[in-house]
Amino acid sequence: QVQLQESGPGLVKPSETVSLTCTVSDGSISPYYCTWIRQPPGKGLEWIGYIHHTGSATYNPSLESRVTISIDTSKNQFSLKLSSVTAADTAVYYCARYRTSGSYSLDYWGQGTLVTVSS
Amino acid sequence: DIQMTQSPSSLSASVGDRVTITCRASQTISNYLNWYQQKPGKAPNLLIYVASTLQSGVPSRFSGSGSGTDFTLTISSLQPEDFASYYCQQTHNTPYTFGQGTKLEIK
Repeated sequence: QVQLQESGPGLVKPSETVSLTCTVSDGSISPYYCTWIRQPPGKGLEWIGYIHHTGSATYNPSLESRVTISIDTSKNQFSLKLSSVTAADTAVYYCARYRTSGSYSLDYWGQGTLVTVSS
Repeated sequence: DIQMTQSPSSLSASVGDRVTITCRASQTISNYLNWYQQKPGKAPNLLIYVASTLQSGVPSRFSGSGSGTDFTLTISSLQPEDFASYYCQQTHNTPYTFGQGTKLEIK
C-alpha cells in the first residue's frame, strides 16, 4: 500500500519561505506526477502544482512566482518551497500522487500538514 | 483557468436517501472529472475517476456520470459514513481546479 507523508515546520513568519517534503513509501514515485494541494482552514482545495519524475514541473499560475517543486527519486521524496508567505498561505498542505495511466486522478494522498503563517 | 461549480453547496439528507451532487465546468473537459470525499480532519479520498469509474474499494452505491461540461455524483442509499464533504476536480487542463465543495449533512 502506497503511503505519503508530509513533513515540515508548522509555523512560519510572514515574508519567509516555507519548505515541505513528501516521502513516499511502499511504492516508487516514478512514473507518476507528484502533486501539492492546499486547503485553508474551513475552505476548499487548491491545486498548487506537480512534478514528474523526469523533473518537469507545472505550477498554478496564481502561485507560480513564489513556488518551486523539486524531486529526489533516489530518496522517493519530493518537496515544495513557497516564498514570501503571508497569512493567506495558512493552510493544510497535502502531497498526493497523480496517476495518468487511465486514471488522471489523485489516487493516494498524505495526511496533510498544517502550516500557519504568523509572527 | 477552468472554473468548476458544484451545487448545492450544502445538503441535508437522511440515511437511506438518494442524493445527487452536480458539477459544471466553465468549458468542456471531456470526461476528465474526478470526485473526492473528505471527512473532517482527513485528506480527500478518491471515489470516482474519469467521470464514471469507481475507484477500487469504493462502495457501489456511489456512481458518477456526465461528459463535456455537466457531471453528477449520485449516492443511491445514504449510509451514516457518507456524511462528509464532496469535491469534483477537472484534470483536463492545468491548473487542475476543484469545485468549491458540497457538505452533506444529516437531516
